[in-house]
Amino acid sequence: AQSVSQHNHHVILSEAASLELGCNYSYGGTVNLFWYVQYPGQHLQLLLKYFSGDPLVKGIKGFEAEFIKSKFSFNLRKPSVQWSDTAEYFCAVYEAAGNKLTFGGGTRVLVKP
Amino acid sequence: NAGVTQTPKFRILKIGQSMTLQCTQDMNHNYMYWYRQDPGMGLKLIYYSVGAGITDKGEVPNGYNVSRSTTEDFPLRLELAAPSQTSVYFCASSSLTPYGYTFGSGTRLTVV
Repeated sequence: AQSVSQHNHHVILSEAASLELGCNYSYGGTVNLFWYVQYPGQHLQLLLKYFSGDPLVKGIKGFEAEFIKSKFSFNLRKPSVQWSDTAEYFCAVYEAAGNKLTFGGGTRVLVKP
Repeated sequence: NAGVTQTPKFRILKIGQSMTLQCTQDMNHNYMYWYRQDPGMGLKLIYYSVGAGITDKGEVPNGYNVSRSTTEDFPLRLELAAPSQTSVYFCASSSLTPYGYTFGSGTRLTVV
């Protein structure tokens, strides 16, 4: 089964700073990759997903992620964060067996106004 | 509104008590899942179901049971609550592909 590693557990930024969150998955082959966001007190929402094609994927709210197959990575980026980006971010890999997602441990991002 | 509905939102249990977390979806999704979320651990899959009458264990099934008698409902049962089951529980459903992964709003459970 896949495993997913997110390198940073906590990130603190000031508004307008750039954000990059790391994500690595455990083995290759065909992968479907996701980033989810969980705002305080809310459930998970999909930010973006990669299935195939252009390895640079654009999502909602100005987020993007780059799939690098050789590094088994799918890092999330945002050029300029806002206070409203304060949330927990989860990387996930889709496993066809059972049609299920395997999640990383999450990264809590705090954006200071 | 269409989606995944979880009840209750909050619950405090005493050690050894039992309870059922309810999950209902109205999107006619075949696949349903129960995850638990613990700080720094992400979401761990407890049980999942690929259709009515079919369930299977995920990563952390011990201490839990599920049933899937209808397409809509996927309740999670805790028989003998333990402090280690203090967590936030999320139910989710999806269609055959991962496009339609929809989460419920969660149940925050505390076992004391």
